[in-house]
Amino acid sequence: SQQGEEDPQALSIQEGENATMNCSYKTSINNLQWYRQNSGRGLVHLILIRSNEREKHSGRLRVTLDTSKKSSSLLITASRAADTASYFCAPLRASNYKLTFGKGTLLTVNP
Amino acid sequence: SAVISQKPSRDICQRGTSLTIQCQVDSQVTMMFWYRQQPGQSLTLIATANQGSEATYESGFVIDKFPISRPNLTFSTLTVSNMSPEDSSIYLCSVDTGQGTDTQYFGPGTRLTVL
Repeated sequence: SQQGEEDPQALSIQEGENATMNCSYKTSINNLQWYRQNSGRGLVHLILIRSNEREKHSGRLRVTLDTSKKSSSLLITASRAADTASYFCAPLRASNYKLTFGKGTLLTVNP
Repeated sequence: SAVISQKPSRDICQRGTSLTIQCQVDSQVTMMFWYRQQPGQSLTLIATANQGSEATYESGFVIDKFPISRPNLTFSTLTVSNMSPEDSSIYLCSVDTGQGTDTQYFGPGTRLTVL
């Protein structure tokens, strides 16, 4: 399978805590994108990290990429109840420029 | 960024019928895609909608079942033909605002239930 695979499948934390989600993939990539999906609705783009980048920040989000290990992580700091959602990583394959998705991490932030 | 709208947002259909889903983007984009998300599952790419030519389908998806139109650089339609309950899914369109290696933005999705 070429898809990004998220770990853990589910994560439950208290408001204010940090949440870390991991992603592994199998092929060479051009970039890797993280998305959020609330309750079966559309995907909201969070951040894109290119293959020559190691870390990227956007607000409370921090994404890392290790191409040697074919892995990425998404850190959400000071989580809020509104962060409750499914989070997907989507590696963009270098061979055909197609995004592939795993099953996501379901994050629940308890108030 | 790109703002994407889809119509309808949801529908309930009878088996054997067809439904056409529309995707409208607020700016001209080179690449548009259609995905399916079955209940509790991940997103699966159905096809790439090519402007002015036939769509490029992924393995397991065929034009007779999922005909796609792309008449211009801001609009595309996906038809789900001869529907069965297995077609119950969320269908999402997405666009790449660059040349295939940039951010992909997604529409709000169309939730389809087939009875």
